[in-house]
Amino acid sequence: DTGVSQDPRHKITKRGQNVTFRCDPISEHNRLYWYRQTLGQGPEFLTYFQNEAQLEKSRLLSDRFSAERPKGSFSTLEIQRTEQGDSAMYLCASSKGDMNTEAFFGQGTRLTVV
Amino acid sequence: AQKITQTQPGMFVQEKEAVTLDCTYDTSDPSYGLFWYKQPSSGEMIFLIYQGSYDQQNATEGRYSLNFQKARKSANLVISASQLGDSAMYFCAMREHNYGQNFVFGPGTRLSVLP
Repeated sequence: DTGVSQDPRHKITKRGQNVTFRCDPISEHNRLYWYRQTLGQGPEFLTYFQNEAQLEKSRLLSDRFSAERPKGSFSTLEIQRTEQGDSAMYLCASSKGDMNTEAFFGQGTRLTVV
Repeated sequence: AQKITQTQPGMFVQEKEAVTLDCTYDTSDPSYGLFWYKQPSSGEMIFLIYQGSYDQQNATEGRYSLNFQKARKSANLVISASQLGDSAMYFCAMREHNYGQNFVFGPGTRLSVLP
């Protein structure tokens, strides 16, 4: 297993365009998380899935954001009508369901909205 | 209110010395876990150490140890014998059993190890 994989690593888009990011978690992990991180800040929680069910969404996740995890495997995060404020690193992480297990992070997708 | 507070935006330490990075947390959940992550300039988040709320002993992992003071709600990371490669951002995170179970991160501390 090669860990959590995110694609693409970098994305530059024009304001108003839609973008979609993909995350492939570690295969035996049933939980998947999306975070947003801006320069010099800690990761901010966006949403998380247990298997295919989206269990929690942050109020940061406006109606322009949507996430899916079909069949409890990979996940996608879509941002519609991108704004310059959406420019950030989008991190995906996965973990087992046990409370005492850490989350494993992907290398992130850096989004730049111009 | 912030769930995780890291009051040191930046810290400097001499190579081979020990350093303590502070973390305080806020929760009413009796069951929770505390995690420390390292993020080098390359960007990946690297898990360092875990402490459970019911653990009686402080966690240790190699040069990393966690000074867990439950009554004070603090979980400070101690790095012994600092190395140049320890220069990075360090994040404290909490996972609550009864409140979402997602990982909540603090703002981080940037550690610089001086030769």
